[in-house]
Amino acid sequence: TAGITQAPTSQILAAGRSMTLRCTQDMRHNAMYWYRQDLGLGLRLIHYSNTAGTTGKGEVPDGYSVSRANTDDFPLTLASAVPSQTSVYFCASSDSRTADEQFFGPGTRLTVL
Amino acid sequence: GQNIDQPTEMTATEGAIVQINCTYQTSGFNGLFWYQQHAGEAPTFLSYNVLDGLEEKGRFSSFLSRSKGYSYLLLKELQMKDSASYLCAVLDSNYQLIWGAGTKLIIKP
Repeated sequence: TAGITQAPTSQILAAGRSMTLRCTQDMRHNAMYWYRQDLGLGLRLIHYSNTAGTTGKGEVPDGYSVSRANTDDFPLTLASAVPSQTSVYFCASSDSRTADEQFFGPGTRLTVL
Repeated sequence: GQNIDQPTEMTATEGAIVQINCTYQTSGFNGLFWYQQHAGEAPTFLSYNVLDGLEEKGRFSSFLSRSKGYSYLLLKELQMKDSASYLCAVLDSNYQLIWGAGTKLIIKP
């Protein structure tokens, strides 16, 4: 079972360019999440989705957008990248957005220059 | 504001026992999670506590005191593969996970 996959594994992006980080899960989980992880800080929630067709803002949503057209896919788009968006991005999913454990993808390391 | 505190780094010896503490101040409480994260990898689930007391799972145990806003993760019979970061996270009243910065555990032979 693949679980959660993310693409690309890593990317160097010029400031001002747009980019979509892809996330796909095969566990039929209802809830999905995007986090960023920066050195010395805890994981910070960017956006989440309770179920297909719905999305919500997390702690640090500015500069990012998401969509949830189906259960499996939850892409994260940076419309116009800035250097402060340099980070490791993790996609996660859980059966529901309550007390269920979250399963994480392998992460995307993004550098914005 | 919401806050999760845990030590930045700890060192322990192979075969020994180590306790990693976590204190929290959050708007509401719906449970506390511990995750393990090896360098360059994704976090993986270790434990979940919602009631006070100790939950034991093999070499790992997790304790919760809701009145004190306190939890710890206890690792016994340490192995070199336990070298990793350990993340404490609290599920708040909006069912959003608030994460600590993690404790990097270094195991020495």
